[in-house]
Amino acid sequence: DQQVKQNSPSLSVQEGRISILNCDYTNSMFDYFLWYKKYPAEGPTFLISISSIKDKNEDGRFTVFLNKSAKHLSLHIVPSQPGDSAVYFCAASASGGSYIPTFGRGTSLIVHP
Amino acid sequence: KAGVTQTPRYLIKTRGQQVTLSCSPISGHRSVSWYQQTPGQGLQFLFEYFSETQRNKGNFPGRFSGRQFSNSRSEMNVSTLELGDSALYLCASSQTELETQYFGPGTRLLVL
Repeated sequence: DQQVKQNSPSLSVQEGRISILNCDYTNSMFDYFLWYKKYPAEGPTFLISISSIKDKNEDGRFTVFLNKSAKHLSLHIVPSQPGDSAVYFCAASASGGSYIPTFGRGTSLIVHP
Repeated sequence: KAGVTQTPRYLIKTRGQQVTLSCSPISGHRSVSWYQQTPGQGLQFLFEYFSETQRNKGNFPGRFSGRQFSNSRSEMNVSTLELGDSALYLCASSQTELETQYFGPGTRLLVL
């Protein structure tokens, strides 16, 4: 049973437009959420995180939104750049639990020039 | 600081063999976790070590084992390899269990 779901395996966006990557979770104990970006032949790199006490966190072109009631989070990239083309993983952890993050299956983002 | 390093980067083995993968965490990081990534799957958690003790274990068979040394370096071992063990094995380190994990480049294992 997947506790963290990224229902879109891939997303294609034009350069300069907004990319929106979505993530749903089922475990109500999750209170810390992260996004990682992964290029081929490299390990995932941490991108941005959000705690459940917030509903938005912004870092440059990247913004993560959290909707706790819907158990949904999204990553917005504005404006999208070709260098953003990568696989994006959503992850969630529970500070009161094992704290080991549970990862989604990833969304492959392609930004076309 | 140097990042997380993993050796070897690529490995080809045959069914029934065993393999040992190595991970050197970022200096000062005491928590080391291992993940398996297969095509179409997310990162599946294998186990986590802290100060030479396994604190958490994922849902993998006993053929998968690991250990951590006093310098925080970690190894994972897979015995009696199966075709389905072909995957990218990622190691991640963090200062403590509550800190963000930083990943190495992974070891790509191919079992023939």
